[in-house]
Amino acid sequence: TLKESGPGILQPSQTLSLTCTFSGFSLSAHGMGVGWIRQPSGKGLEWLANIYWNDDDDYYNPSLKNRLTISKDTSTNQAFLKISNVDTADIATYYCARINRHLGYFFDYWGQGVMVTVSS
Amino acid sequence: DVQMTQSPYNLTASPGESVSINCKASKSISKFLAWYQQKPGKPNKVLIYDGSTLQSGIPSRFSGSRSGTDFTLTIRSLEPEDFGLYYCQQHNEYPFTFGSGTKLEIK
Repeated sequence: TLKESGPGILQPSQTLSLTCTFSGFSLSAHGMGVGWIRQPSGKGLEWLANIYWNDDDDYYNPSLKNRLTISKDTSTNQAFLKISNVDTADIATYYCARINRHLGYFFDYWGQGVMVTVSS
Repeated sequence: DVQMTQSPYNLTASPGESVSINCKASKSISKFLAWYQQKPGKPNKVLIYDGSTLQSGIPSRFSGSRSGTDFTLTIRSLEPEDFGLYYCQQHNEYPFTFGSGTKLEIK
C-alpha cells in the first residue's frame, strides 16, 4: 500500500513538500520505483516524476523540471516530492504510485491521493 | 512528448453490453500502453499493460488490443461496478503521458 501526505494548503511562492509512505515493497530492491502523478479537480492525470532503486535514476516532467525534486529514504520506506514556487495551477490531488520495472514502466499500485490547495 | 488522444469522452451502456475505449499515440510507442480505472474513494487500478496484458486479479472481461499506434480497451459483458473513469498511459518513453480520460456510465 501507498499513502500520500502533505500540507493541505499553502501560499503562493511557497515550496510544496509531499511524502509517500509505502509498505509491501522496498525502494532498495532491484527494479522498484515510485512515481508522482497529479490531477486537478475534474481534469486528467499528469505525470510529474519517478525515482528508482538505483540512486542515479530519477526522471522529471520537463514542463516542471526546474521546480521538482524527488528523493527517497529507504530506511523509512518513504519517497518525497518537492515543488518549488507554487501557484494556483498546482492545485490538485497528488498521487504516488509504485513501478515494478520487472513488469514494465507503468504504475501497478496507487495511493488514494492527497489534495493540495494554494491560496493566499 | 507523445500525445495520447483518447475517445470517446463519455460513454453510457447497459449491464451485459460491450464497450470500447480508444487511445491513439502521436508516434510509435511500441506495445507500451497501460489502461487504468479510476473510481471515487478507491486507488486507481491498472487493468492492462503492454497494450494487451491483463494485470493479475483483473476480470477477463477486460481486454486490450493494438493496431500500430491505435489502442483499444474493450469491456465485455459490462457489470454495474465497471462505472468510472478510464485512462490510458504510454509507458514507452519519458515524459509519461496520459489520455484525457473516458467517463463510463452504466444505464
